[in-house]
Amino acid sequence: DGGITQSPKYLFRKEGQNVTLSCEQNLNHDAMYWYRQDPGQGLRLIYYSQIVNDFQKGDIAEGYSVSREKKESFPLTVTSAQKNPTAFYLCASSPLRVGGANVLTFGAGSRLTVL
Amino acid sequence: DQQVKQNSPSLSVQEGRISILNCDYTNSMFDYFLWYKKYPAEGPTFLISISSIKDKNEDGRFTVFLNKSAKHLSLHIVPSQPGDSAVYFCAASVNTGTASKLTFGTGTRLQVTL
Repeated sequence: DGGITQSPKYLFRKEGQNVTLSCEQNLNHDAMYWYRQDPGQGLRLIYYSQIVNDFQKGDIAEGYSVSREKKESFPLTVTSAQKNPTAFYLCASSPLRVGGANVLTFGAGSRLTVL
Repeated sequence: DQQVKQNSPSLSVQEGRISILNCDYTNSMFDYFLWYKKYPAEGPTFLISISSIKDKNEDGRFTVFLNKSAKHLSLHIVPSQPGDSAVYFCAASVNTGTASKLTFGTGTRLQVTL
């Protein structure tokens, strides 16, 4: 079954620590994305990547970093510079858009709590 | 600046009746609109989309209507079923090339009661 795997599902972090969230996809999608969801808010784009070794900042990239060394993998690091890191993080992927609605497929999410 | 707005945080509908979820947008450059459904602690799943050049798209029990002049779209679910209880997100995309940067609304929680 093709899909997106995010790990860990739940993560606790002490203030001042960096943490990396894993995202792996076997859909052969070229583009990958990281979104953040907070209560009462929509999903906000953190970073996205259209191709290996290239990525762009989204709307709320400050305090986050990503890498795209393989097509299948797009890990997100939440650094200590992120002021309010407690949130639900969603990874997504899509084919490169060639016309029509480009539907993103989402993983099940990772909930990060800063203690 | 919220470019995609869902002004109703919640909606309760009886089983078998119609559910209507609304969404407003401000950016006239959006070229596609999508609806996603989300259960707690899970990722959103795609439901239905509509091109900005269309005014209606139907898929089974789900129909999306687009009123471009009013910058408004709505999702109709007929008949509503208890399994439809979830949070529904409206999203919009701008053609920026090969990747889709979706802008999401804040979501509407739908509860379908027996």
